Amino acid sequence: GEDVEQSLFLSVREGDSSVINCTYTDSSSTYLYWYKQEPGAGLQLLTYIFSNMDMKQDQRLTVLLNKKDKHLSLRIADTQTGDSAIYFCAELNTGFQKLVFGTGTRLLVSP
Amino acid sequence: DTGVSQDPRHKITKRGQNVTFRCDPISEHNRLYWYRQTLGQGPEFLTYFQNEAQLEKSRLLSDRFSAERPKGSFSTLEIQRTEQGDSAMYLCASSTIAGGELFFGEGSRLTVL
Repeated sequence: GEDVEQSLFLSVREGDSSVINCTYTDSSSTYLYWYKQEPGAGLQLLTYIFSNMDMKQDQRLTVLLNKKDKHLSLRIADTQTGDSAIYFCAELNTGFQKLVFGTGTRLLVSP
Repeated sequence: DTGVSQDPRHKITKRGQNVTFRCDPISEHNRLYWYRQTLGQGPEFLTYFQNEAQLEKSRLLSDRFSAERPKGSFSTLEIQRTEQGDSAMYLCASSTIAGGELFFGEGSRLTVL
């Protein structure tokens, strides 16, 4: 089955690191994604990782993948107020060829 | 080409009317997806195309919904006899067949009164 779970809310102070976690159930997932959504806007692709990788770093973003535990995390270094948004984790399943999304984690960054 | 574009961005309609949304994907992308997002939820898959072929439809896509991609480029999503429960953001995304980068448009927000 396909199920992606995320915690609903995370609050951090500006300058701290944020870690957003995600668990998924489908072991045949090929790609795993992180998207950012600001109010009233579409989804902005932040980064993605292929399932045979353990880590991917892109500027302030670090993605860690633990395939054994089916756990994905997104670390944002030096979090800024502009990072306040909803972050969605999603998996792309080879068989069904569609993205399955979590319910999103609302990140609030306070000055 | 600056990305996936959707039109209109906002649509307000009365219950029972028909509405149509258009999506223009990134030009070299073979795959095109439609998703629906309601308030406080993650996007839910509706359907996807590979070139002009519609390869999968969700159970969410009732008989009132129809999607086309006639020439393998832009796509339309039509909702007939709209209901208040159809109020949502309709998102389009595109990618290459190989997967990897999958980009979304800004969405078309539908409000059914």
